Amino acid sequence: DVKVTQSSRYLVKRTGEKVFLECVQDMDHENMFWYRQDPGLGLRLIYFSYDVKMKEKGDIPEGYSVSREKKERFSLILESASTNQTSMYLCASSHTNKETQYFGPGTRLLVL
Amino acid sequence: AQKITQTQPGMFVQEKEAVTLDCTYDTSDQSYGLFWYKQPSSGEMIFLIYQGSYDEQNATEGRYSLNFQKARKSANLVISASQLGDSAMYFCAMREGMFSGGYNKLIFGAGTRLAVHP
Repeated sequence: DVKVTQSSRYLVKRTGEKVFLECVQDMDHENMFWYRQDPGLGLRLIYFSYDVKMKEKGDIPEGYSVSREKKERFSLILESASTNQTSMYLCASSHTNKETQYFGPGTRLLVL
Repeated sequence: AQKITQTQPGMFVQEKEAVTLDCTYDTSDQSYGLFWYKQPSSGEMIFLIYQGSYDEQNATEGRYSLNFQKARKSANLVISASQLGDSAMYFCAMREGMFSGGYNKLIFGAGTRLAVHP
């Protein structure tokens, strides 16, 4: 079974703090994705990566950066957290030859 | 622009009955893919079913089936014999453009919250 894990289920941070969200997958998937989920908006793509050290902006990259130093690990970084980044963050991964994305359990981030 | 619309914010169904969750999409691509995911209160998104735009038959996976009507641009999820564990958020998603390996970006609808009553 595909397993995608995220470093925290719940996180509370202060405005201006630097925040790291980490995602690890154990199925040797080439592609990894970061989404944020807000009520009434569904999931929106922040960034994705199709290979180590490669990254592409999604639909809402502003205020975020990412890092992929190893194939299994994809980190989302909030350089200076703001209250409008309070949200649920979901990581996903997929194989390069298969369409289905597999998701982690999500991180609920609250920025005060 | 590609778009997914789920018009039902919430639905409820009696246990053991069937329920249909609506999804309409908008795309100018000839090749695309449609997905349904389930999100229980635990938060994890669980893949349920996939339909390719060129698939002639409706996709089925156990109690889940996808009612694909290409001309109407709809991809409704049908859950038969509802169970209490089906209570969750359900998201319809679409893959942009043709998939020929590599990565694919998904566009998600706003979701429908399903409550199954005993």
